[in-house]
Amino acid sequence: ETGVTQTPRHLVMGMTNKKSLKCEQHLGHNAMYWYKQSAKKPLELMFVYNFKEQTENNSVPSRFSPECPNSSHLFLHLHTLQPEDSALYLCASSQEIGAGARDTQYFGPGTRLTVL
Amino acid sequence: SQQGEEDPQALSIQEGENATMNCSYKTSINNLQWYRQNSGRGLVHLILIRSNEREKHSGRLRVTLDTSKKSSSLLITASRAADTASYFCATGHTGGFKTIFGAGTRLFVKA
Repeated sequence: ETGVTQTPRHLVMGMTNKKSLKCEQHLGHNAMYWYKQSAKKPLELMFVYNFKEQTENNSVPSRFSPECPNSSHLFLHLHTLQPEDSALYLCASSQEIGAGARDTQYFGPGTRLTVL
Repeated sequence: SQQGEEDPQALSIQEGENATMNCSYKTSINNLQWYRQNSGRGLVHLILIRSNEREKHSGRLRVTLDTSKKSSSLLITASRAADTASYFCATGHTGGFKTIFGAGTRLFVKA
């Protein structure tokens, strides 16, 4: 148990559906991250939020829309996805960004997304 | 561009043997971290070594850092079947820049 939870753990959706992934951290951290992990590919950073402000959007398609209402919660809203978007989506948090040991990241268990 | 690159991509050993994984990176770092991931799960932080440190230990883990060669190694001694997982290095930077993960080494320990 890392202190970061993600729901749902598994999600199957059609290309026309709209769904949301939720991440919550109970660590009092100020930075939160979304990553995409596809088979046989490096971990891809998607978005970074620091003190609720988005600081990084790594050229992610607009069909992925993040939301960070407070420092403890992070959402990823999904709409009109493609089959190639099927992957494990990981949420992480850290105390700070770029602050040495304080940017150690704590990961949630991930949401396994399948787009049909 | 990707910062850390692990070598080998995959490693298969017998239980009780030592496992060594290497990581190379391109630009100056503030720290380097190693993470472990069991299949289909989130990553778990193992150890962090700062740029002014050369070696660090944690239980059966030993990490070295050579900033002149821009490389690090992770040694797992007396491996166990439960060590089977993917291992990632991640480079940390100062000034608000993000931590960058490598592609990982898949370790399989046979009982």
